Amino acid sequence: DIQMTQSPSTLSASVGDTVTITCRASQNIKKWLAWYQQKPGEAPKFLIYGASNLERGVPSRVSGSGSGTEFTLTINNLQPDDFATYYCQHYDEYPLTFGGGTKVDIK
Amino acid sequence: QVQLQESGPGLVKPSETLSLRCSVSGGSISSGGYYWSWIRQFPRGGLEWIGYIYAGGNTYSNPSLTSRITISIDTSDNHFSLRLNSVTAADTAVYYCARGFYGSGFDHWGQGTLVTVSS
Repeated sequence: DIQMTQSPSTLSASVGDTVTITCRASQNIKKWLAWYQQKPGEAPKFLIYGASNLERGVPSRVSGSGSGTEFTLTINNLQPDDFATYYCQHYDEYPLTFGGGTKVDIK
Repeated sequence: QVQLQESGPGLVKPSETLSLRCSVSGGSISSGGYYWSWIRQFPRGGLEWIGYIYAGGNTYSNPSLTSRITISIDTSDNHFSLRLNSVTAADTAVYYCARGFYGSGFDHWGQGTLVTVSS
């Protein structure tokens, strides 16, 4: 199975900050990577596919980059709605696997 | 706007079978080439892909669960289902159904249903 490792596991930030989350794959997954946002008690929300393509309705201050084994999710001008947990997920081969999550909380 | 809704028992006894249904509304489960998926989230937060099924009936599942699961689809009633046999406490999780598409991730999710395995 492809292991997905996210860092950091927790990140403290303030409104207006820029935050970057890293996701590393244990082998080359090209650009077959998605990102999700999850708030307590809710289902994950789809943010990005193909490593860098924003899902409709996702604000442009959210961006993704990377290919191969290293990927990043960046959120500029952090807003109150952005405090949540973020997960990466590959879909290069079976089984699909998720990263362990990065919680962005208020500093 | 497509919506998914899980339903099923919230409590299952060890060694018994967990059965869940995902009802799809706002679109036909037969159209679009989507794959209809089950994903679970453990109490500590980790997400695990269980498997998915296409409208034509082809299924793909996590090898760690293949021997215990059955995923089926009913296109006439616009729903798909999960059966997980021989459950243990380790299967306690929130179970989500979701829609996926080739070359993309899971774009629509149900609200999730908590299943607890306990006697």
